[in-house]
Amino acid sequence: DIQMTQSPPSLSASLGDKVTITCQASQNINKYIAWYQQKPGKAPRLLIRYTSTLESGTPSRFSGSGSGRDYSFSISNVESEDIASYYCLQYVNLPTFGGGTKLELK
Amino acid sequence: QVQLKESGPGLVQPSQTLSLTCTVSGFSLTSNSVSWVRQPPGKGLEWMGAIWSGGSTDYNSALKSRLSISRDTSKSQVFLKMNSLQTEDTAIYFCTSNWFFDYWGQGVMVTVSS
Repeated sequence: DIQMTQSPPSLSASLGDKVTITCQASQNINKYIAWYQQKPGKAPRLLIRYTSTLESGTPSRFSGSGSGRDYSFSISNVESEDIASYYCLQYVNLPTFGGGTKLELK
Repeated sequence: QVQLKESGPGLVQPSQTLSLTCTVSGFSLTSNSVSWVRQPPGKGLEWMGAIWSGGSTDYNSALKSRLSISRDTSKSQVFLKMNSLQTEDTAIYFCTSNWFFDYWGQGVMVTVSS
């Protein structure tokens, strides 16, 4: 099974900040990584797939990059509606999630 | 539009079997996969298993011995059965579509308790 190590587990940011979350896979996942946003009491929402492809409706302040084993997800100009938990998922093989990152307001 | 909806009992006794149904609309089960994902209270997401468009299944190795996923394409339904439930199986159970989980149901909370 491919392991996904996501960091940091929690993140504190001010409105307007840029934040970055990373995921490292235990092996090359050939860019098959997706990123999700989850708000309390809600199902996860797909934001980005295949490393950097934004889903319809995902604001352009969200972005993703990476290759091989190392990937990152960024939010530029954090807004109040971005306060949530974020998860990465590798889907090159049987899917595995990262442990999640909780984004809070400073 | 694509929709998924989970249904099933909210309370299951320890050692019993959990049975959940995911009813989908807006796509065909013969064209898209459906996975089950669960989330214990306050914790992260765990992929449980999937039924692929061709009808084959794959399971998380940690759950494989207890888990079965099947479907009824005529009813657009996917079924999850997991036996020998323990308190640590208490979680919200989601069904989700496609291999990159683009659409999700709202989830169903399952509590394992006597």
